[in-house]
Amino acid sequence: NAGVTQTPKFQVLKTGQSMTLQCAQDMNHEYMSWYRQDPGMGLRLIHYSVGAGITDQGEVPNGYNVSRSTTEDFPLRLLSAAPSQTSVYFCASRPGRRRQTEAFFGQGTRLTVV
Amino acid sequence: DAKTTQPNSMESNEEEPVHLPCNHSTISGTDYIHWYRQLPSQGPEYVIHGLTSNVNNRMASLAIAEDRKSSTLILHRATLRDAAVYYCILPNTGNQFYFGTGTSLTVIP
Repeated sequence: NAGVTQTPKFQVLKTGQSMTLQCAQDMNHEYMSWYRQDPGMGLRLIHYSVGAGITDQGEVPNGYNVSRSTTEDFPLRLLSAAPSQTSVYFCASRPGRRRQTEAFFGQGTRLTVV
Repeated sequence: DAKTTQPNSMESNEEEPVHLPCNHSTISGTDYIHWYRQLPSQGPEYVIHGLTSNVNNRMASLAIAEDRKSSTLILHRATLRDAAVYYCILPNTGNQFYFGTGTSLTVIP
């Protein structure tokens, strides 16, 4: 059971480039989320999804797009990378709507935009 | 949505108990209290959660005040591996987790 898998683990982009961070989970979880973590800070919610075909914005959605075509995958797209998007990105999944469910996190993608 | 307040940092000696406090004075009756921790260079991992009663699992205990306005995560015997940032979280009305800055725990050998 792989849990939550994020790829790539490291990425360097030039300003203005686009890329997609991949997130996949094999636990059939309804809820998936993307967070970013800047140095010395807590995680901030970017976008989330409560099921296939349903996405919504979190605290810091600007500059990022998401889609959820399958239960397993929740990719995060950077359309035009900026240095301010240099951060560590974490994907998480949870079983469903109940507030007591546990979240599972990936190991993160460390992105540097130069 | 209820917010949480935690001390920025705490220290503990190895093999001694650690009590990590969290204030959530605006908690509602249906808010679960979750604790996660983040080891260096890793993603957060689940520690424990509870609603009203104290909870125990293999990692820790969660003591919830009778008025539910505060809670305490208890590590019974701190080890060096417990050095991490600990987050106290109340899922919001959309059932999403919003992280604060947490408490950075240093364990002294």
